[in-house]
Amino acid sequence: EVQLVESGGGLVQPGRSLRLSCAASGFTFDDYAMHWVRQAPGKGLEWVSGISWNSGSIGYADSVKGRFTISRDNAKNSLYLQMNSLRAEDTALYYCAKGTLYGSGSYYDYWGQGTLVTVSS
Amino acid sequence: DIQMTQSPSSLSASVGDRVTITCRASQSISSYLNWYQQKPGKAPKLLIYAASSLQSGVPSRFSGSGSGTDFTLTISSLQPEDFATYYCQQSYSTITFGQGTRLEIK
Repeated sequence: EVQLVESGGGLVQPGRSLRLSCAASGFTFDDYAMHWVRQAPGKGLEWVSGISWNSGSIGYADSVKGRFTISRDNAKNSLYLQMNSLRAEDTALYYCAKGTLYGSGSYYDYWGQGTLVTVSS
Repeated sequence: DIQMTQSPSSLSASVGDRVTITCRASQSISSYLNWYQQKPGKAPKLLIYAASSLQSGVPSRFSGSGSGTDFTLTISSLQPEDFATYYCQQSYSTITFGQGTRLEIK
């Protein structure tokens, strides 16, 4: 059974940092790209960042570029998101999602339960 | 970035109804369009990928169609468990989601 378990969320002051983790199990982690998707309270889904199976390809949403860093450790079946210079608008539930490729596209067939990040003074 | 616009934003319907949700892309995305269902307090669930392919385990009352810029998600006969919010998502370029369609019980 595929499982994605996020951790590391919490209450943080503006300008501070936080590191999210996602522990994966039930599939061959290093065969798949992984992504972070967030959802602000009462709002829709927003893609944050993605990383290819070998970390060779990485992308970020413009809203987090230069502040967030995605990484993975295939030996530990883990995905990370280092979030620096946090802003109030980064407040959201952060989901880890497994990306499956088809042609030149991809879809998210498994999601974690999310970890809540609240940025407030 | 490619903008994804869903319509309607909300919809009231009854059990047994046939429902269609539309998603329009700001430029052609071929068939790189996926649909998700999200219930309150839960993670999104993949329903349809590649515009019309039904994800394993998803009931056949769900179907998707379209290519280029215009796509639809159809639920042929609404069941009580289908009342949720639905999102489209394109993966042709930098991933973007539609704003969501909330499907409510009439």
